[in-house]
Amino acid sequence: DIVLTQSPGTLSLSPGEGATLSCRASQSLSINYLAWYQQRPGQAPRLLIYDASNRATGIPDRFSGSGSGTDFTLTITRLEPEDFVVYFCQQYGSSPLTFGGGTRIEI
Amino acid sequence: QVQLQESGPGLVKPSESLSLTCSVSGDSLSGNNQYWNWVRQPPGKGLEWIGYFYYPGSTSYNPSLRSRVTMLLDTSKNQFSLRLASVTAADTAMYFCARNHPQRHYDVSSHKYLFAFDLWGQGTMVTVSS
Repeated sequence: DIVLTQSPGTLSLSPGEGATLSCRASQSLSINYLAWYQQRPGQAPRLLIYDASNRATGIPDRFSGSGSGTDFTLTITRLEPEDFVVYFCQQYGSSPLTFGGGTRIEI
Repeated sequence: QVQLQESGPGLVKPSESLSLTCSVSGDSLSGNNQYWNWVRQPPGKGLEWIGYFYYPGSTSYNPSLRSRVTMLLDTSKNQFSLRLASVTAADTAMYFCARNHPQRHYDVSSHKYLFAFDLWGQGTMVTVSS
């Protein structure tokens, strides 16, 4: 199985600042099959980014994804109060589908 | 608007089977290129993909759970279900049903389509305890 390692575990920032979240895969992902999700407390995950860099429908452009091979990044510019939640990455380059352990952004 | 809604018992005894249902509104389970998934999340932990059902009868399960998992579709009710046998406390989790993002790809190694998830239910909490 491909193991996804997210770092840091927790990111302490202030509204208006930028955030950079990392997701590292244990094996290279063919053709960048990586997604990012946001999860608010008590809610289901919400797809932000697919294919490493494509924003999902309705996602604001302050969320962007980049990376290739084994190293991927989610960048959030100008953090809004509702962005202070948990983010997961997920790979779909190899079966079984796997998720990272998550990064929490806190104020 | 497509919506998914999980349902099932919130408490299951160890060694028994867990059975959950996902009701789909606004979409058909027999639609083309749609994979109906279960994902779970233990309290305070990360997400684990359990498997999917693809109409009319193809399934793919996570090898870590394959020996205990069964997924079925009921197109007359527009529902799909999960059965997990011989549960233990380690199966205590929030269980989500989810649909694949249309941008899927074919993995030649596993001979399966793989994808992200673009639509999720709200989840249902299942606790395994005597």
